[in-house]
Amino acid sequence: GAVVSQHPSRVICKSGTSVKIECRSLDFQATTMFWYRQFPKKSLMLMATSNEGSKATYEQGVEKDKFLINHASLTLSTLTVTSAHPEDSSFYICSARDDGDTQYFGPGTRLTVL
Amino acid sequence: SQKIEQNSEALNIQEGKTATLTCNYTNYSPAYLQWYRQDPGRGPVFLLLIRENEKEKRKERLKVTFDTTLKQSLFHITASQPADSATYLCAPSYGQNFVFGPGTRLSVLP
Repeated sequence: GAVVSQHPSRVICKSGTSVKIECRSLDFQATTMFWYRQFPKKSLMLMATSNEGSKATYEQGVEKDKFLINHASLTLSTLTVTSAHPEDSSFYICSARDDGDTQYFGPGTRLTVL
Repeated sequence: SQKIEQNSEALNIQEGKTATLTCNYTNYSPAYLQWYRQDPGRGPVFLLLIRENEKEKRKERLKVTFDTTLKQSLFHITASQPADSATYLCAPSYGQNFVFGPGTRLSVLP
């Protein structure tokens, strides 16, 4: 089956620093990738949709200058949390979709900002 | 705006019984609906997709129904096992993406 990886799985950083999270589709080409955020005991909230080679589309309320998304190839998308603050601490999950309807999710990245 | 509800936040059942989870949506008509399983600290895992023109879909011990009149999908796990304990998310399609429900945390008791 389709496999999506994320790196790192956990990251702890100081307030004010930037953190980059990678999302890779390992055995298929992802025309579209998605980034979600999930708070404890809550459902996934879509942050942005990115198509390879074009700018990401952000959901309402998501600051595009704070959450930088790059989708430079059909197998890699990155999310950079800039000038992170404690309120950015969360579980970030990416997903990738090929030409079908199903999204395949990565294992998630736990971000803790001190 | 669209709204997704799942019948209960948590559901406890006895091993061997059938678990039935409910997903209701309002204010729109999704072209398809997916069900995912999520374990703590992990990303969701795809289980089943059912389209609006399909009434029922099965996969091993799993069965999903889709009633576009009631705007409801039911997710059944037959002969449930403790290993089925997890949070189950329904996700009706919305445009090129889909919207996740809040999830139901299922506990199968031995």
